[in-house]
Amino acid sequence: AQSVTQLGSHVSVSEGALVLLRCNYSSSVPPYLFWYVQYPNQGLQLLLKYTSAATLVKGINGFEAEFKKSETSFHLTKPSAHMSDAAEYFCAVNPGSSASKIIFGSGTRLSIRP
Amino acid sequence: SAVISQKPSRDICQRGTSLTIQCQVDSQVTMMFWYRQQPGQSLTLIATANQGSEATYESGFVIDKFPISRPNLTFSTLTVSNLSPEDSSIYLCSVNPELRGEQYFGPGTRLTVT
Repeated sequence: AQSVTQLGSHVSVSEGALVLLRCNYSSSVPPYLFWYVQYPNQGLQLLLKYTSAATLVKGINGFEAEFKKSETSFHLTKPSAHMSDAAEYFCAVNPGSSASKIIFGSGTRLSIRP
Repeated sequence: SAVISQKPSRDICQRGTSLTIQCQVDSQVTMMFWYRQQPGQSLTLIATANQGSEATYESGFVIDKFPISRPNLTFSTLTVSNLSPEDSSIYLCSVNPELRGEQYFGPGTRLTVT
């Protein structure tokens, strides 16, 4: 079955430090992959998406993610964390078995230390 | 992209009553999705709503508890019936204008059942 695993339910980094949020997927067909961010008391906002073009995907707010088929990973990174990055981050996959359905990971809460 | 609004943004309801949530999209879309996000949890898909046909429910969700209407290509409602405290969650609607593309989310409806 298709699935998404996010390693680490909570990640804390210092302001200015590298942000790395981990995501591994399971899919029997080439997947479409997404990262979403959810700020407190808000809906989900798309950060970036991978749709089988370039393996390094750049998103909004300085985030990027690299699709690594050999590792079945799609980790999210940002070189320098900002206080405003504190939020919940969800990795998601459209596995292709159902054209529209998206499966979400369990989420990682990112905290930024001053 | 798509802009989605939901009403109400939040509500407090008594046990045994029902709440109907409205979702309005600024463009015509084939599929609309309803998700539940329980406190501190990820998103769980409740059902997929196509205009002109019955909604398709995910395992663990039934039409009697979560009836859905989809009268046209820009609007849908989700009713949460016979409320219990376990129904206290955020309910989100989403759309994906492109097949296998990203989903766009509404701001969510925060339901508290007392």
